[in-house]
Amino acid sequence: DAKTTQPNSMESNEEEPVHLPCNHSTISGTDYIHWYRQLPSQGPEYVIHGLTSNVNNRMASLAIAEDRKSSTLILHRATLRDAAVYYCILRRAGGTSYGKLTFGQGTILTVHP
Amino acid sequence: DTAVSQTPKYLVTQMGNDKSIKCEQNLGHDTMYWYKQDSKKFLKIMFSYNNKELIINETVPNRFSPKSPDKAHLNLHINSLELGDSAVYFCASSQDGQTGELFFGEGSRLTVL
Repeated sequence: DAKTTQPNSMESNEEEPVHLPCNHSTISGTDYIHWYRQLPSQGPEYVIHGLTSNVNNRMASLAIAEDRKSSTLILHRATLRDAAVYYCILRRAGGTSYGKLTFGQGTILTVHP
Repeated sequence: DTAVSQTPKYLVTQMGNDKSIKCEQNLGHDTMYWYKQDSKKFLKIMFSYNNKELIINETVPNRFSPKSPDKAHLNLHINSLELGDSAVYFCASSQDGQTGELFFGEGSRLTVL
């Protein structure tokens, strides 16, 4: 499985934008970039995913570098509820991996009031 | 209505016992998974099933036996419990096993004494 590298932790203030970086220099052409988050004492929650183009949804935006070796999850206005562990995951379409998610250590996001 | 529900939420048992965790999804998804989150918070896939057929078995000991009676259920039975089995077990489902987002349950915390 291709590996991702994220900072161990980041901090933000409420209502400010947050940019969570992820490096994935060994990404292959069939790897989708997925982001999940895990709030305390809950199961992981899907945030967003993309392949090549930038993506937006109601939760966040995903900016993907042109060479696809890095990406950034953008929370436009952080709230206290966004405090969680954020996981950047490469998910391979097709083949025997059958779309399994390989979680790394993730980034612990702390949001200050 | 909870999309992916697991029971029990907490389970405390003695070494050597046999226990089961049940999982049901009401999303009409074809693929279901079991993930394990250990004390260091690493999330790792154990199994995935597609339409009741085992797709991924991630070198899990034979003491762990998943059972899928139908597409909406994936139960996890664990024989001869060991101390190292203490963890939080998450069930998840997705529409397809390739790129579709995973929906996770709230987790079942297993403590083996």
